[in-house]
Amino acid sequence: EVQLVESGGGLVKPGGSLRLSCAASGFTFSNAWMKWVRQAPGKGLEWVGRIKSKADGGATDYAAPVKGRFTISRDDSKNTLYLQMNSLKTEDTGVYYCTTVGCSSSTSCYGDHWGQGTLVTVSS
Amino acid sequence: QSVLTQPPSVSGAPGQRVTISCTGSSSNIGAGYDVHWYQQLPGTAPKLLIYGSSNRPSGVPERFSGSKSGTSASLAITGLQAEDEADYYCQSYDSSQSGSGYVFGTGTKVTVL
Repeated sequence: EVQLVESGGGLVKPGGSLRLSCAASGFTFSNAWMKWVRQAPGKGLEWVGRIKSKADGGATDYAAPVKGRFTISRDDSKNTLYLQMNSLKTEDTGVYYCTTVGCSSSTSCYGDHWGQGTLVTVSS
Repeated sequence: QSVLTQPPSVSGAPGQRVTISCTGSSSNIGAGYDVHWYQQLPGTAPKLLIYGSSNRPSGVPERFSGSKSGTSASLAITGLQAEDEADYYCQSYDSSQSGSGYVFGTGTKVTVL
């Protein structure tokens, strides 16, 4: 059974940093593309970014609002995905989900398994 | 803000059929990119409902179906059940002058009367 468990959320001041982790099990993590999706309180879903498997080059892509501030990385030896968030803004507040990525083509990708999410609150 | 527009809410009685629209543009759905749908039950993480515009993952009931035409897509729920009360989101890929990436719809709350 695929399991994704996020951790690392919490309260941080504007301008601060936080690193989220996503521990994966139940599938071959090193072969998987992964992504982060967030949801502001009472709002809809927003794609944050994606990382390909190392076999597919390990490239990362980011949504415009977080580009240059957030970094996605992976440690295949620990089956763990990371999201390093710097220069945090109040609008980054929300629940952050990690998901596995399924694709039927390079531009037809979706989140097929989701973690339970971790809450990040950016406030002074 | 989202580039995919959904109605804020739809409702129906048990057993009825409801549809949720997802309207995009020539830089996403109209460009031929697939649409995927997610169901988010209250207080839980989203769950994949439809992928590749019309395919159901194993375990998803046949009463959920998806379609796509032109710059729009639709999710239909036939034989509505109380357990279907949730928020539903469409998702596609967008490639425009301002950049490319995955985009979600604004979300639709389904209420079972």
